[in-house]
Amino acid sequence: AQTVTQSQPEMSVQEAETVTLSCTYDTSESDYYLFWYKQPPSRQMILVIRQEAYKQQNATENRFSVNFQKAAKSFSLKISDSQLGDAAMYFCAYRSPVRAAGNKLTFGGGTRVLVKP
Amino acid sequence: DSGVTQTPKHLITATGQRVTLRCSPRSGDLSVYWYQQSLDQGLQFLIQYYNGEERAKGNILERFSAQQFPDLHSELNLSSLELGDSALYFCASSAGLGLEKLFFGSGTQLSVL
Repeated sequence: AQTVTQSQPEMSVQEAETVTLSCTYDTSESDYYLFWYKQPPSRQMILVIRQEAYKQQNATENRFSVNFQKAAKSFSLKISDSQLGDAAMYFCAYRSPVRAAGNKLTFGGGTRVLVKP
Repeated sequence: DSGVTQTPKHLITATGQRVTLRCSPRSGDLSVYWYQQSLDQGLQFLIQYYNGEERAKGNILERFSAQQFPDLHSELNLSSLELGDSALYFCASSAGLGLEKLFFGSGTQLSVL
């Protein structure tokens, strides 16, 4: 079974600075999908970024980028130019490439990001 | 707004009771997923339905059941409730059976007293 680990329960960042969230995972599959979701106080789960394991290029979405290290099974999220609205819980998630697995996601325990003005 | 609607937003009940959580997926989405978010277990996949049929099961207790109706809305039934069932229950939907984007509702917060 796949497992996802986020070792940082909480991270604090100054507004306009950069913060990096760590995520490691364990899988025996060679192809899979990785995600970062944001959960603000509204509780809504919002997709931040997605990475396909077969792609060597790291995904980027505006101020959000990932560092995907397949051999190390590491998938970190970098938030650049942090804004107050970035304050939230961030979850790393894994999805099997097996079509039958559909959208069954395995989540990490989450990292709370605090943004200081 | 994700387009996934969950009702009620909050639910307070007592141990031993039974509750039903409702989810309306995005228009056109055939797959519905239920997730539980609790302090103890984190975010866990419970069950998936596709076009009315159960497709995948996760860590769902026997006291819990779900179904998807012909109009594609889904209900999650929780019975013989225990204190530990207090959690945020998410519904999510996607277009099909594959690897399409997943859209989450805003959840139902269940408090068992």
